[in-house]
Amino acid sequence: DAEITQSPRHKITETGRQVTLACHQTWNHNNMFWYRQDLGHGLRLIHYSYGVQDTNKGEVSDGYSVSRSNTEDLPLTLESAASSQTSVYFCASSESKGAAGELFFGEGSRLTVL
Amino acid sequence: AQRVTQPEKLLSVFKGAPVELKCNYSYSGSPELFWYVQYSRQRLQLLLRHISRESIKGFTADLNKGETSFHLKKPFAQEEDSAMYYCALSHTGFQKLVFGTGTRLLVSP
Repeated sequence: DAEITQSPRHKITETGRQVTLACHQTWNHNNMFWYRQDLGHGLRLIHYSYGVQDTNKGEVSDGYSVSRSNTEDLPLTLESAASSQTSVYFCASSESKGAAGELFFGEGSRLTVL
Repeated sequence: AQRVTQPEKLLSVFKGAPVELKCNYSYSGSPELFWYVQYSRQRLQLLLRHISRESIKGFTADLNKGETSFHLKKPFAQEEDSAMYYCALSHTGFQKLVFGTGTRLLVSP
């Protein structure tokens, strides 16, 4: 079955380290998204991509970067991790074009920055 | 700017009671509205969208453009409805969603 997977599921790192969270989907969806989930803030969009070589900033993109070299993967990189980036990160994908479609979410990656 | 407001962080009801989870939005264009749900230990998933005008698991939501609301309703809550509910908005034709802060629904026996 097609699905979307995230790794690692849990990560503890130190302030200043570079961290990459992987997201892989097998639906052949063009659209991929990264959100962070924080108490009191809900889900906030970090970065998104509508296709290969396309990346866009979301509302909380500072300190994060993404790259889209193929359809299946959208890795999220924290260049220099900060304690404020402790959060649960969700990757999602959707079909393209027309009305906004259903987002399919990964299981989430819990990141702790000490 | 697009904004979705869910005023209640927690809604606690008894089984069989009616449920209404509130969602208000601010958007100048023509939005598309959604409800997503996250059950314990499960992935966030779509519950329903306003363009479908459907009832899923007994839940319905009507888009009220005059009041800029998209409240989620169910006449008789069940214990299995306990979950985190997110209201979300997108601009027509665009894929990215703006989510509200979420409401945790707790249905007690």
